[in-house]
Amino acid sequence: KQEVTQIPAALSVPEGENLVLNCSFTDSAIYNLQWFRQDPGKGLTSLLLIQSSQREQTSGRLNASLDKSSGRSTLYIAASQPGDSATYLCAVLSGGSNYKLTFGKGTLLTVNP
Amino acid sequence: NAGVMQNPRHLVRRRGQEARLRCSPMKGHSHVYWYRQLPEEGLKFMVYLQKENIIDESGMPKERFSAEFPKEGPSILRIQQVVRGDSAAYFCASSQSWDRGSEQYFGPGTRLTVT
Repeated sequence: KQEVTQIPAALSVPEGENLVLNCSFTDSAIYNLQWFRQDPGKGLTSLLLIQSSQREQTSGRLNASLDKSSGRSTLYIAASQPGDSATYLCAVLSGGSNYKLTFGKGTLLTVNP
Repeated sequence: NAGVMQNPRHLVRRRGQEARLRCSPMKGHSHVYWYRQLPEEGLKFMVYLQKENIIDESGMPKERFSAEFPKEGPSILRIQQVVRGDSAAYFCASSQSWDRGSEQYFGPGTRLTVT
């Protein structure tokens, strides 16, 4: 059974700092991995999707890497801004199902002005 | 192209009442997924539907919960005789295909509160 863990559970940083969020998964046989952003009381916004054959994806100040063999992914946020404050969720598509996403509990990020 | 739409956004029900949650997938998407986010928990898969078919309902509680995706109209998640433990955010997602790696697009969610 796939399990996804995100560390840390919460992170508070000053504006402008570069930061890394971590995601680990127990079953390395994944099809893809997605990073989402969730604002309080809102839905999920997809940030980056990395296919199993890829090592990383970049979008603006965000860079996500994937190391399938070790069961890890990182989300790097450069030059953080207060508007980046949100919960960041990691989810993997894996196992015998090619449609069930397994989510971590998320990292609550606060960027202080 | 409108995204995934869910309504209502907030729903309050008393114990024992029925809750109906609606989801309209993105245009051109025929695959719908429902996930539940309990307080302090990650999102958990509930059910996968295609038009007029339930493909996988392995994440649905055995009783009181049902889902449908009719030929016309939105997908419906129905919870009968709600209890306080059903209070959660329910998210719908849709995709264009079931291919591995096909991205799922999420709606804004329906927040159900059972009093």
